[in-house]
Amino acid sequence: EAGVAQSPRYKIIEKRQSVAFWCNPISGHATLYWYQQILGQGPKLLIQFQNNGVVDDSQLPKDRFSAERLKGVDSTLKIQPAKLEDSAVYLCASSLGRGDNNSPLHFGNGTRLTVT
Amino acid sequence: DAKTTQPNSMESNEEEPVHLPCNHSTISGTDYIHWYRQLPSQGPEYVIHGLTSNVNNRMASLAIAEDRKSSTLILHRATLRDAAVYYCILGGYNKLIFGAGTRLAVHP
Repeated sequence: EAGVAQSPRYKIIEKRQSVAFWCNPISGHATLYWYQQILGQGPKLLIQFQNNGVVDDSQLPKDRFSAERLKGVDSTLKIQPAKLEDSAVYLCASSLGRGDNNSPLHFGNGTRLTVT
Repeated sequence: DAKTTQPNSMESNEEEPVHLPCNHSTISGTDYIHWYRQLPSQGPEYVIHGLTSNVNNRMASLAIAEDRKSSTLILHRATLRDAAVYYCILGGYNKLIFGAGTRLAVHP
């Protein structure tokens, strides 16, 4: 099966600019996640969707970050305006979900964002 | 969320077994134990998971202590490709909270 697709692979922007990341999950996966991974740390969950509804966005800095999942498939994560501390790898993951505890998360290779 | 404790780093030689420990003394009765690994410049990759019984798959084995307060990921014969950061995570699949993990170095 095709994996989780993310684009772009790399992005460099200046602080106060805006940026958007795109994710296409594995076909049929109901649950989609966005994680932020700062260099040297483990991934941190930003937001979780179940189909096109938000399940958990408690760690999403809502004053500057937003995310949507169109028609329960693709998702975009936006940062506006970006800060230096937003420099990180943004990982998208998907799983079958639907309360199935035996379906693992499948991660994309992420978008590496550098804010200068 | 229940917390896990892992060593920051470990080293192994190629073709030798590797035992990666994880302590989780505050695990709840419904928490699964998950292991993921992350190779350089890639997203995390599922390795194995279990609840109470030991588990085996083509990648690794998971040994879970009887009181479930600790577990060990076993790589039976390490290869250079197994050099990665290994994360031990508690919870259900609906919410996986990653720690810093164990960085495994494999020497030829």
